[in-house]
Amino acid sequence: QQQVKQSPQSLIVQKGGISIINCAYENTAFDYFPWYQQFPGKGPALLIAIRPDVSEKKEGRFTISFNKSAKQFSLHIMDSQPGDSATYFCAASPFDRGSTLGRLYFGRGTQLTVWP
Amino acid sequence: DTEVTQTPKHLVMGMTNKKSLKCEQHMGHRAMYWYKQKAKKPPELMFVYSYEKLSINESVPSRFSPECPNSSLLNLHLHALQPEDSALYLCASIQGGPLRTETQYFGPGTRLLVL
Repeated sequence: QQQVKQSPQSLIVQKGGISIINCAYENTAFDYFPWYQQFPGKGPALLIAIRPDVSEKKEGRFTISFNKSAKQFSLHIMDSQPGDSATYFCAASPFDRGSTLGRLYFGRGTQLTVWP
Repeated sequence: DTEVTQTPKHLVMGMTNKKSLKCEQHMGHRAMYWYKQKAKKPPELMFVYSYEKLSINESVPSRFSPECPNSSLLNLHLHALQPEDSALYLCASIQGGPLRTETQYFGPGTRLLVL
């Protein structure tokens, strides 16, 4: 059972455009929502993360929007560049009561291609 | 420094070989993870060590044997693997705070090919 649902599976955007990737979850115990960026042959790298007490977080061209009531969150990449072409994974992690040890539940991933 | 290192970068092994993957971090993190990642899929959790003790084993076959010799080092011993075990093996670590989830930092991975 996929605890975090991610869409779309692939996304093609023109340079300078906005890339939007959406994720949804059901488990209300989740309280930490990171996005990871992964280039081919490399490990995932943390891009940006949010906690449920804020509705939006922005870092440079990357913004997370969070809707707690809808249990949805999304990544917006403004002014998308060819160098942003990568696979993006959303994830969620429950409040750490010791037993979960910061365990991450990943979405299936979105392959983003930005055309020059 | 938020670096997790993994060696080797690439590994080719036969089904009768024994090999080991190594992961190291010097960030003082107390929880370390092994993941397996197939192409175009998200990482799948295999094992979690917390304070050098195995805390989570996601029903991984016994041909994968983890070891945590000290707080900075994590090994994954491989024996009698199958071709379907070919994948990118990722190591990650977190601070291991008692109450709050923390950022997981991933290593670059070891690309394993089983012939």
